[in-house]
Amino acid sequence: KQEVTQIPAALSVPEGENLVLNCSFTDSAIYNLQWFRQDPGKGLTSLLLIQSSQREQTSGRLNASLDKSSGRSTLYIAASQPGDSATYLCAVPGSNDYKLSFGAGTTVTVRA
Amino acid sequence: GAGVSQSPRYKVTKRGQDVALRCDPISGHVSLYWYRQALGQGPEFLTYFNYEAQQDKSGLPNDRFSAERPEGSISTLTIQRTEQRDSAMYRCASSFRRVARQGYYNEQFFGPGTRLTVL
Repeated sequence: KQEVTQIPAALSVPEGENLVLNCSFTDSAIYNLQWFRQDPGKGLTSLLLIQSSQREQTSGRLNASLDKSSGRSTLYIAASQPGDSATYLCAVPGSNDYKLSFGAGTTVTVRA
Repeated sequence: GAGVSQSPRYKVTKRGQDVALRCDPISGHVSLYWYRQALGQGPEFLTYFNYEAQQDKSGLPNDRFSAERPEGSISTLTIQRTEQRDSAMYRCASSFRRVARQGYYNEQFFGPGTRLTVL
């Protein structure tokens, strides 16, 4: 069974600082890895999907890296803003390509 | 375009009552998923449809839970004889699976969820 761990569980930084969020998974036979953002009262917003053949994926201030062999992904958020405050979740499908296993998330607070 | 929608957004019910949660996926998405999320945890898989066929229901906790997608679009998750332990956020997602140059592409898009509270 795929186990996904996210460290740290919570993070508080001053505005402008870069954020580094970590995700590790136990089964490296994955199709891809998705990073999501969760805001209170709202759904999960897909931020990035990185394929197993890719080493990184970028979208604006977001950059996700993937090291499949070591079972790790890192989400970097450059020049953080108070609007980046949210919970960030990573998810990987297991031996199939649809049953996502999620980490518990990292709750980020960016202080103005 | 419109995203995944779910209704109701909030549902409060008494123990023993049946509830039906609705999901309207993104137009053109043939795959639909239901997940359940407890407070402070990530979502957990419940079931998966490809068109109208329920391909995987391994995550449904017991036989009080059922789901259908009769016309391959809107889906309903039904919980019979609700119990307090059923209280959670129920999330629906949809995707359009395709083969891309980088590999198999199956990005899931989630709705806002239904917050179920069983008293």
